Amino acid sequence: DIVLTQTPLSSPVTLGQPASISCRSSESLVHSDGDTYLSWVHQRPGQPPRLLIYEISKRFSGVPDRFSGSGAGTDFTLRISRVEAEDVGVYYCVQTKQFPLTFGGGTKVEIK
Amino acid sequence: EVQLLESGGALVQPGGSLTISCAASGFTFSNYAMTWVRQAPGQGLEWVSAIGSSGGKTYYAGSVKGRFTISRDNSRNTLYLQMNGLRAEDTAVYYCAKMPKYHFDYWGQGALVTVSS
Repeated sequence: DIVLTQTPLSSPVTLGQPASISCRSSESLVHSDGDTYLSWVHQRPGQPPRLLIYEISKRFSGVPDRFSGSGAGTDFTLRISRVEAEDVGVYYCVQTKQFPLTFGGGTKVEIK
Repeated sequence: EVQLLESGGALVQPGGSLTISCAASGFTFSNYAMTWVRQAPGQGLEWVSAIGSSGGKTYYAGSVKGRFTISRDNSRNTLYLQMNGLRAEDTAVYYCAKMPKYHFDYWGQGALVTVSS
């Protein structure tokens, strides 16, 4: 199974400041079709997850442009350019390159 | 508007069975793969199972293989997860999600399954 390791586990941030989350995969997430299937989802407390970013860097409909994704192969990063109060919660990376699909352990973002 | 509404969550005894459902609306259900993801209390997300758009292909996590069965009824726009041999460690909120190509774009609100005597 592909293992996704997220760092940090927790990220206290100041409103308006940037935040960055890393996701490292145990093997390349480049599919045989040439695309890389790494997504990011965000879960606010008490809410279901919602999609933020797919295929490394594509923002889902309605996601603010302060969210961006980057990376390649086995190393990926989610960046929030200026954290807002609504950005608190847990962020997960997820690989959909192969079954079983796997999630990272999550990174909790909280306001200082 | 895409909507996914899970139902059927319940308290079940260890070793028991339960089927949960996910009613879909706002999109052409039969065109998309679907998946189940669960979250144990206070824990992270765990992928459980996925099914192709026609129902011909199914996939399972090792932790549920042989005990859970995913299925769908495209005439009713509904996804199912039949769970047998339930264990305490299956206690979780179960989310259904729509899968265009290779990501989960829309998620339901979840159904709570509690396995306890």
